[in-house]
Amino acid sequence: NAGVTQTPKFQVLKTGQSMTLQCAQDMNHNSMYWYRQDPGMGLRLIYYSASEGTTDKGEVPNGYNVSRLNKREFSLRLESAAPSQTSVYFCASTSAGNQPQHFGDGTRLSIL
Amino acid sequence: SQQGEEDPQALSIQEGENATMNCSYKTSINNLQWYRQNSGRGLVHLILIRSNEREKHSGRLRVTLDTSKKSSSLLITASRAADTASYFCATDASGSYIPTFGRGTSLIVHP
Repeated sequence: NAGVTQTPKFQVLKTGQSMTLQCAQDMNHNSMYWYRQDPGMGLRLIYYSASEGTTDKGEVPNGYNVSRLNKREFSLRLESAAPSQTSVYFCASTSAGNQPQHFGDGTRLSIL
Repeated sequence: SQQGEEDPQALSIQEGENATMNCSYKTSINNLQWYRQNSGRGLVHLILIRSNEREKHSGRLRVTLDTSKKSSSLLITASRAADTASYFCATDASGSYIPTFGRGTSLIVHP
């Protein structure tokens, strides 16, 4: 009963490197989300996928791309990492927009 | 931009006391949710209250919603050291169903 699984848990990158954060859920949820959490800022939505085959920008999409690979998987890509993207990234899923979200335990990303 | 804002930012209490934290928001909502985050972990859903509801209970948790004041409160009764965590409210504006999270309240319960 894994819920939402994020990989990797930790990563250190150099400025300009690229990286893909992986997220998978086993609850047959339709909607999936990527957030970043910075100290004192709460969670900010980067991108979301309301259903398989659709993706939309959130509050802070610049510098990121996403892929809803199938119903289970939603990946977040940093094409050219910048120090401002140092953060903790959370993936979440829900069966419908008016239902509770289930979160993974996050990916802690440091960009030097 | 944050739709919901929690107050206070930090709260420190003794085990056995009650903890109350508040959330204010700016626009009409469909739902308001409360989440807990333990250090180093993801958020865990606590309670969802819909805009036509005024109060909900779950164990030691009580959530109220006042849509006229655009505010909600989360009460944790008889707190325990294990309740130490950050608590977030999330609101989804009418017609949106995309939740927006506040900055959270950091609760420390001293044994």
